[in-house]
Amino acid sequence: AQKITQTQPGMFVQEKEAVTLDCTYDTSDPSYGLFWYKQPSSGEMIFLIYQGSYDQQNATEGRYSLNFQKARKSANLVISASQLGDSAMYFCAMREGGETSGSRLTFGEGTQLTVNP
Amino acid sequence: GAVVSQHPSWVICKSGTSVKIECRSLDFQATTMFWYRQFPKQSLMLMATSNEGSKATYEQGVEKDKFLINHASLTLSTLTVTSAHPEDSSFYICSSSQGLVGFDEQYFGPGTRLTVT
Repeated sequence: AQKITQTQPGMFVQEKEAVTLDCTYDTSDPSYGLFWYKQPSSGEMIFLIYQGSYDQQNATEGRYSLNFQKARKSANLVISASQLGDSAMYFCAMREGGETSGSRLTFGEGTQLTVNP
Repeated sequence: GAVVSQHPSWVICKSGTSVKIECRSLDFQATTMFWYRQFPKQSLMLMATSNEGSKATYEQGVEKDKFLINHASLTLSTLTVTSAHPEDSSFYICSSSQGLVGFDEQYFGPGTRLTVT
């Protein structure tokens, strides 16, 4: 079974509008972390935001926020006030386990976001 | 944030030759480094996890004799693609972390694009 599922291969949004990128995960481990990365066409992986499984509040980083619904096992990324530079591939990733897991990440298939002027 | 470099950024080689890719953490000691492979428009697939001074742990389906990983120091890991074939053409990305408990950001290198002719 897929551990990380991103059901939107592509998304389009108008500049200055908000967009939500979906991510659901599957784990039986009580301790895990969820990450979102942006990958522009240059290929570099840019860290956006992190949510720990025990965090009580949804993570926010500037225009990025993570809508964490633990019971539904979803960790959607919300980008507010989209900019043309936000056009890129976005990956959701999960790290399972506690101290002994290291930082091994499992990635979703990604969502290609296109911001239209 | 921490910087991870990769060299070369791109390489073209002939079928049957070997190619070495270097991954360096520039401003922190990376206990663990990860090697990923990414085909066009696909997700990152973990190939192996390398720990300084010990043998790498390869993911299922990854040929350890073909993808040689050496992690000789806390700042350098190398991936050697031996007897490369056109199907090995891909984008190879390394990452490293400090092995922290809880939020442990994984810092990615800029990637190496390998083309085997």
